Amino acid sequence: GQQVMQIPQYQHVQEGEDFTTYCNSSTTLSNIQWYKQRPGGHPVFLIQLVKSGEVKKQKRLTFQFGEAKKNSSLHITATQTTDVGTYFCAVAPGTYKYIFGTGTRLKVLA
Amino acid sequence: DVKVTQSSRYLVKRTGEKVFLECVQDMDHENMFWYRQDPGLGLRLIYFSYDVKMKEKGDIPEGYSVSREKKERFSLILESASTNQTSMYLCASSFGTSGDTQYFGPGTRLTVL
Repeated sequence: GQQVMQIPQYQHVQEGEDFTTYCNSSTTLSNIQWYKQRPGGHPVFLIQLVKSGEVKKQKRLTFQFGEAKKNSSLHITATQTTDVGTYFCAVAPGTYKYIFGTGTRLKVLA
Repeated sequence: DVKVTQSSRYLVKRTGEKVFLECVQDMDHENMFWYRQDPGLGLRLIYFSYDVKMKEKGDIPEGYSVSREKKERFSLILESASTNQTSMYLCASSFGTSGDTQYFGPGTRLTVL
């Protein structure tokens, strides 16, 4: 069945450093979503990518969908303490169902 | 704003008890989902529903059942709770087919003793 691998599992960065998390699928994707979960909170939708090679930006966050639509990345420039949390990718292999990656937990050291 | 609420933030139950977790959404969403979240395993789908009285198994349905009698309400039932069902349970809803944003509730931290 569909597998979604997300790396790294954990990342500790110094405030101001950059951060990247990667999501890789075993099959071609129709779209991919990214969510953020703050400590003690619930996942909140960040963005959806649909087109091959698509790049979207939200302030310091840059999201990219691979050319083959099998992988995606989320890059944060100059991390801040407010970026702390777990970042999940999610893919939809069927009509309604979603599969979430295992998440990357980001810790930002001030 | 979409609001998804869950009946309890924290719940402690004993092994063998029947447990009900309730989820309500106020945006007339078609689809509702139950996930459990465990460290290192991400979010795993237990069951989902795309319409009233309709349900589909997710990846880990064993030991769970669900009920959707009204569009806004989706219940997760643990028929006989076991210690390995200690987890964070998250409910979510979405409007249409895959690709629509999922909106999550605050979660219920269930401990089974």
